[in-house]
Amino acid sequence: DVKVTQSSRYLVKRTGEKVFLECVQDMDHENMFWYRQDPGLGLRLIYFSYDVKMKEKGDIPEGYSVSREKKERFSLILESASTNQTSMYLCASRTGQGVTDTEAFFGQGTRLTVV
Amino acid sequence: EDQVTQSPEALRLQEGESSSLNCSYTVSGLRGLFWYRQDPGKGPEFLFTLYSAGEEKEKERLKATLTKKESFLHITAPKPEDSATYLCAVQALGSGTYKYIFGTGTRLKVLA
Repeated sequence: DVKVTQSSRYLVKRTGEKVFLECVQDMDHENMFWYRQDPGLGLRLIYFSYDVKMKEKGDIPEGYSVSREKKERFSLILESASTNQTSMYLCASRTGQGVTDTEAFFGQGTRLTVV
Repeated sequence: EDQVTQSPEALRLQEGESSSLNCSYTVSGLRGLFWYRQDPGKGPEFLFTLYSAGEEKEKERLKATLTKKESFLHITAPKPEDSATYLCAVQALGSGTYKYIFGTGTRLKVLA
């Protein structure tokens, strides 16, 4: 089974702090994603990576950056946390381009509260 | 604009009362449609992928179907453990490998 592991289930951070959310997958997937999930808004893509050191902005990248130094690990960085970044953060991974196997597999989520 | 709409937003069923959840989509061309189950405070768990109209997939009490405009998740004789939020997502042709468009989900509650 695919396993996507996020480093923390719950985090509480102060406004202005730099926050790191870590994600590791064990299936040698090329693609990794960071989403945030808010009530009534669904899942929104923050950043995507299709290979080591490669990244693309999603729909809501402002206030975030990412790092992918190794294939299995994808980090989300909140440069200066703000209260409007309080949310559930979800990491996902999937294999590369192909006709089949296009589904993404998610981690357990990190509930981040910024106070 | 590519869009995914799920209905109803919330659904309460008695145990054993079968029903269907709807996912309507508007995309330029469908590469795949995905169903996920999400329990409170957890990440979505993959259920099904559907690729073309007429396709059906089943898993235990769940059956997913696909037409050119919508997908249904049929739940037969549900049990309380089927209570969860069910998410639908689509991937459009030509959208690049990353573009999944998610609906906001249907919250299902099955009462014993």
